[in-house]
Amino acid sequence: QQQVKQSPQSLIVQKGGISIINCAYENTAFDYFPWYQQFPGKGPALLIAIRPDVSEKKEGRFTISFNKSAKQFSLHIMDSQPGDSATYFCAASIGTYKYIFGTGTRLKVLA
Amino acid sequence: DADVTQTPRNRITKTGKRIMLECSQTKGHDRMYWYRQDPGLGLRLIYYSFDVKDINKGEISDGYSVSRQAQAKFSLSLESAIPNQTALYFCATSDRTSGRIADTQYFGPGTRLTVL
Repeated sequence: QQQVKQSPQSLIVQKGGISIINCAYENTAFDYFPWYQQFPGKGPALLIAIRPDVSEKKEGRFTISFNKSAKQFSLHIMDSQPGDSATYFCAASIGTYKYIFGTGTRLKVLA
Repeated sequence: DADVTQTPRNRITKTGKRIMLECSQTKGHDRMYWYRQDPGLGLRLIYYSFDVKDINKGEISDGYSVSRQAQAKFSLSLESAIPNQTALYFCATSDRTSGRIADTQYFGPGTRLTVL
């Protein structure tokens, strides 16, 4: 119930392509869904986040799509660039501070 | 200067040794966290603290202890290290939300710990 399942584990995309990472959850009490981006040798950093009362949120080339009935949400990276190569974690929280993280997706964008 | 710093950045130790990982922050945040990252398992919460006198166990606290020496300092100890504690350890901080749904967590650069 507390898990957040993330797929795929790794992803290779050509420059300019669309990267899609998916997450699924069971606990309907989750009320906040952030995505964190982690570059090698660095800690994760917040990329974009969404609340369950919104079906989509877009920030630049990054979009979260949220399907409340299916209990799924996904990160879309449009026009993927080599600089987007990183590990991406989805997460879900109940309340203000406690996150359950997905297992991570290692994205490699080929030049 | 980094807002959240961790020392050491890399550490190799032997089974049975006591080891301490330290975290300091200049963000002025009340809340601090220790996570462990393992390949294929993501980030798992070890301990979290809302202030110096408020420390709570997370998902995987067995074998670990913490100390919140000051608002800005939060240390993680392995009393008797074992090989399956080999992992990447992250400290994070957050501020109490103010009209927002949830805190944004700010992570340090991590400590890579190897237990032989």
